[in-house]
Amino acid sequence: AQTVTQSQPEMSVQEAETVTLSCTYDTSESDYYLFWYKQPPSRQMILVIRQEAYKQQNATENRFSVNFQKAAKSFSLKISDSQLGDAAMYFCAYRVTGTASKLTFGTGTRLQVTL
Amino acid sequence: NAGVTQTPKFRILKIGQSMTLQCAQDMNHNYMYWYRQDPGMGLKLIYYSVGAGITDKGEVPNGYNVSRSTTEDFPLRLELAAPSQTSVYFCASSTDSNQPQHFGDGTRLSIL
Repeated sequence: AQTVTQSQPEMSVQEAETVTLSCTYDTSESDYYLFWYKQPPSRQMILVIRQEAYKQQNATENRFSVNFQKAAKSFSLKISDSQLGDAAMYFCAYRVTGTASKLTFGTGTRLQVTL
Repeated sequence: NAGVTQTPKFRILKIGQSMTLQCAQDMNHNYMYWYRQDPGMGLKLIYYSVGAGITDKGEVPNGYNVSRSTTEDFPLRLELAAPSQTSVYFCASSTDSNQPQHFGDGTRLSIL
């Protein structure tokens, strides 16, 4: 069974600094997607970034980038130049390519951004 | 842009009552999903649908039913509400299985 582990229940970062959120996963599949979702207090789930497992190049979206280590089954999220609006719960998620049913989420990391 | 719309946003039910959580999307997405999020946890898949008339069970389907009579709507039915079903429920949709899922704002449901 696929599992997603986020070992940091809470993280804190100062405004304008950089923070890295960790995620590891366990799978026997070779072709899959990895995602980071942001959930602010408004509760909405917002897609931050996604990575296809077959791509060696790490995905980037403006201030957000990932460090994808397929052999180590690690998928960390780096947030640069942190802003107050980045404060939220961040969920790492996994899905096997072509499978509609199974989007597996980690338990989340709560990110606080301080002045 | 409406996207994925869930109603109601909040609801309190008594044990044994039934209700339907509504979900509608206006993006012509074929795939739709229902998740539940318990406190301090990630989302778990309840049911999903790959198109009108087709539904399938996810990870935690017990106590729920769904239907998909149109592409736009994917209601979730609780027949006999139990305290264990107290949770936040999210509906999502996607173009196909390889595209990111778009989420609604969630429905907070309490069973007392």
